[in-house]
Amino acid sequence: AQKITQTQPGMFVQEKEAVTLDCTYDTSDPSYGLFWYKQPSSGEMIFLIYQGSYDQQNATEGRYSLNFQKARKSANLVISASQLGDSAMYFCAMREDNYGQNFVFGPGTRLSVLP
Amino acid sequence: ETGVTQTPRHLVMGMTNKKSLKCEQHLGHNAMYWYKQSAKKPLELMFVYSLEERVENNSVPSRFSPECPNSSHLFLHLHTLQPEDSALYLCASSQDDYGQHYGYTFGSGTRLTVV
Repeated sequence: AQKITQTQPGMFVQEKEAVTLDCTYDTSDPSYGLFWYKQPSSGEMIFLIYQGSYDQQNATEGRYSLNFQKARKSANLVISASQLGDSAMYFCAMREDNYGQNFVFGPGTRLSVLP
Repeated sequence: ETGVTQTPRHLVMGMTNKKSLKCEQHLGHNAMYWYKQSAKKPLELMFVYSLEERVENNSVPSRFSPECPNSSHLFLHLHTLQPEDSALYLCASSQDDYGQHYGYTFGSGTRLTVV
């Protein structure tokens, strides 16, 4: 069974607008971490934001925020005030603390920011 | 140098060649990883080295052979590859303390083409 689902293969957003990238996950481990990475065309995976399963508040990092809904097992990434440089692939990932402790990545969403 | 450095950035090799990919991290991390990223597929974990010992290989074909001589260096030795092995190979490192939610730091990847 797929552990990380990203249902949007591609998304478009107008420059300066906000966009939400969806991520749902599946785990029975009570302790886990959720991550979002950005991969520009250069290939490097850039860490954006982290949310722990026991964190009470949604994580924020500058223009990035994570809408964490634990009961729904969703961890959507919100990018505010989109910039042209935000155009890239975005991957949601999960690390389960008790089951192997290794990352599982979703299939990714390609975001294109329009001028 | 800082971060995770991968060389070469691009590699074209014939099916009978032998080549090696190199990864070096300057972050003091104690775990290193090889991932394969093929078109339209999620990132696939190939190998994990924690404290210089291989802990997982995920049934990768024997034509891929990892080597971790110390905590800062990781190699992926390639021989008699197939065209379907063409992909982006990403190296990552992390501080692999149990129960701690650390993200991975990735290199820029090696774009491998098998002809």
